Formats: sequence, C-alpha cells, structure tokens
Amino acid sequence: ELKVEQNPLFLSMQEGKNYTIYCNYSTTSDRLYWYRQDPGKSLESLFVLLSNGAVKQEGRLMASLDTKARLSTLHITAAVHDLSATYFCAVVTTGKSTFGDGTTLTVKP
Amino acid sequence: ETGVTQSPTHLIKTRGQQVTLRCSSQSGHNTVSWYQQALGQGPQFIFQYYREEENGRGNFPPRFSGLQFPNYSSELNVNALELDDSALYLCASSPGQGLMTDTQYFGPGTRLTVL
Repeated sequence: ELKVEQNPLFLSMQEGKNYTIYCNYSTTSDRLYWYRQDPGKSLESLFVLLSNGAVKQEGRLMASLDTKARLSTLHITAAVHDLSATYFCAVVTTGKSTFGDGTTLTVKP
Repeated sequence: ETGVTQSPTHLIKTRGQQVTLRCSSQSGHNTVSWYQQALGQGPQFIFQYYREEENGRGNFPPRFSGLQFPNYSSELNVNALELDDSALYLCASSPGQGLMTDTQYFGPGTRLTVL
C-alpha cells in the first residue's frame, strides 16, 4: 500500500525566512501534485510534477521531484503572511491518488 | 473559482440513513474524482469516474457508490451512514482521462455530519 509522509506537519516561521517541506512516498509513482488549502476552504492546485528532476516555480514557492529517492520538496522563499495555509502533496499511482497528512504553515510577522 | 460546484454545502444525517451528494464539473471535463477529508487530515481518494464508468477506487466499502452523467454532473451515494462518515466530501474534475492529468479542479465541498 502506498504511503505518503509529509514533514513537518506544523511549521511556524517568520516573514522573510526560507524553509522546505518534504514529501516522501513509498512506491513508484506516475506523478506528484502539490495543493494548498486555506482554513474551511477547498483545495487549490499548485504544481504537478511529472518526471525525475522536474522543478516548477510560482512566486515564492518552488517544487521539485526526485523519483529515485521518492522525495518531493516544496521550498518557500522569503515567506509572507499570505502563504499561511495547509500544503498537501498527493502521489498518483495506477488508478489512485494518495495524499499526505498536510503541513500547516503559519507565517508570523 | 474553479467552475466546479457541489451541493448541498452542509448536511446533517443520522446513523443508518442514506445520503446523495452532487457535483457539477466544468464543461468538457470527462473525469471526476471524489474524496473524503476528515477534520485535520488529508483527503482520501474514494473513487474516480471517466466517461460514466468507474475506473479507480480507494479503500472504501461498497456502501460508497457513485454515478457520472453525460452532462458533466456526478453523484456520491453513501448508504447505511456511520458516525465516522462525518467529513468534508470533495469532488474534483479534470479534462484528461483518469488521474493522469495536469490539474484537478476541486469544488468547495459538502460538509456531512452524521449524528
């Protein structure tokens, strides 16, 4: 059974700092997604990573994928308060999508 | 706005009852997936439909069933409700076939409470 582990589960950081969220998964995957969820809201798609070495960037967020290590990272650069949310990675294998438990990010002034 | 709508927004049922949740996908999106998100957890994949046929299923019992219609709407039916079925139910549509697509567009969800 595919397992997806994110760490940390909770992250409190100051504005302007950098940090990385990690997503480890246990079996070969077809692709990996990153999502953002604000409290009480639905999920917003951030990135889809399709192959080993894939890197995508949007604003202060950059996601990468290492399929050999079964690891994806979401790097936050110079955090701002608006980035406070819960971030999920989701791994797709044949016919199924498995989410991690999420990383709740709080950015403080 | 993703163009994906769900109804109702909130629903309260009692144990043993049956419930139907509805989702309207974006026009042209042939794939719809349903997820259950318990409080404080990540979404869990229930199943997926492509062109009105189920083509992927997570670890949910048969009392969770679905339908997809030609007009890009879909339903999630849950029979014999249990307390643990209380959760946010999300549908997501995508233009490709199955989960092999660039982006899933999520609806706002239906919050189901089972008493």
